[in-house]
Amino acid sequence: SQTIHQWPATLVQPVGSPLSLECTVEGTSNPNLYWYRQAAGRGLQLLFYSVGIGQISSEVPQNLSASRPQDRQFILSSKKLLLSDSGFYLCAWSVLDAGQYFGPGTRLTVL
Amino acid sequence: SQQGEEDPQALSIQEGENATMNCSYKTSINNLQWYRQNSGRGLVHLILIRSNEREKHSGRLRVTLDTSKKSSSLLITASRAADTASYFCATVFQGAQKLVFGQGTRLTINP
Repeated sequence: SQTIHQWPATLVQPVGSPLSLECTVEGTSNPNLYWYRQAAGRGLQLLFYSVGIGQISSEVPQNLSASRPQDRQFILSSKKLLLSDSGFYLCAWSVLDAGQYFGPGTRLTVL
Repeated sequence: SQQGEEDPQALSIQEGENATMNCSYKTSINNLQWYRQNSGRGLVHLILIRSNEREKHSGRLRVTLDTSKKSSSLLITASRAADTASYFCATVFQGAQKLVFGQGTRLTINP
């Protein structure tokens, strides 16, 4: 069966520090991969999605970037975090025209 | 905005009652999906309904889709305390590979 891993679960970082969040998927090949951010009590904002290795589509201009170095690995990065980067970050995968399956999320607090 | 909009934003009912949530969208879709999110957790995919379908069932869940009105509803029958969560609709628009989420309905089931 398919499994999605996302870590860390929580993270507290100072303003201006770098960020690296990792997401990996098991049990499927060539998935579409997604990074979302969710502000408290709100819906999901799509940040990036990828349909293959090295293929990244950015939805929102910001100081975040994403990379997909391997088929089932998706990384969200920042060189310098801002206070506004705080939020709940969710990774998801999908295959074909089907539903998306989410990881457990990373709660990021930038101080 | 293309995003789906859920109605109501919050719903509080007694255990055993039925809960109905609605979702409206603005442009033609490939499919519409409903997700559940427990507090502080990732989203769980509930049901996907395609644009050529009108109704789908899964256990105590019933989803309807009216493409002429660009709306969908999620019915949870015989609600339980464990159904307390936020429910989101998300749409895949024609020609797109990404989901667009609404802001969600916060459902509270009172024992």
